[in-house]
Amino acid sequence: EDQVTQSPEALRLQEGESSSLNCSYTVSGLRGLFWYRQDPGKGPEFLFTLYSAGEEKEKERLKATLTKKESFLHITAPKPEDSATYLCAVQAADYKLSFGAGTTVTVRA
Amino acid sequence: EAQVTQNPRYLITVTGKKLTVTCSQNMNHEYMSWYRQDPGLGLRQIYYSMNVEVTDKGDVPEGYKVSRKEKRNFPLILESPSPNQTSLYFCASSFQGGDGNTIYFGEGSWLTVV
Repeated sequence: EDQVTQSPEALRLQEGESSSLNCSYTVSGLRGLFWYRQDPGKGPEFLFTLYSAGEEKEKERLKATLTKKESFLHITAPKPEDSATYLCAVQAADYKLSFGAGTTVTVRA
Repeated sequence: EAQVTQNPRYLITVTGKKLTVTCSQNMNHEYMSWYRQDPGLGLRQIYYSMNVEVTDKGDVPEGYKVSRKEKRNFPLILESPSPNQTSLYFCASSFQGGDGNTIYFGEGSWLTVV
């Protein structure tokens, strides 16, 4: 069974304090690993797709990396507007999508 | 504008009263799916569809039905809702295969069963 585990569950940061979120996974035939941002009461918003180990993607203060067993979402010099829940998901060879429980990030000014 | 539209957004219903949550996408996506989101459990897939007339169970299909008669629509049916189906529901769609496999989510439907 495909599994996705995110850590930590919650992360409180000062503005400018860089940190990383972890997503470890087991999947039958990885089609892709996705990172999303979710604001309270909203649907997840797509951030990145990673397809193979060694791949990296960047967007503003966010950088996602992928190994064969885990992915990291690095937040560099975060701002309060980066506060959100970040979700990781893997898509298996049969197109089935499995999500982690998410990491809730709070950035204080 | 690319959209996944769910209705209703908010619903309070009683145990056993059949209800349908509609989902429509305007991007000609083949793949559509339904998820429920509960605190501490994240998003769990209920059903998915890879194309018209093709549906399959996700992780938590019990108590739910779906149909895919048209490419744009993928309704979620609760034949006899129970309180443990109180949750936040999301519909999503995407193209299959290829690069840039971006998944679009709807805004969510808050369902309370009393």
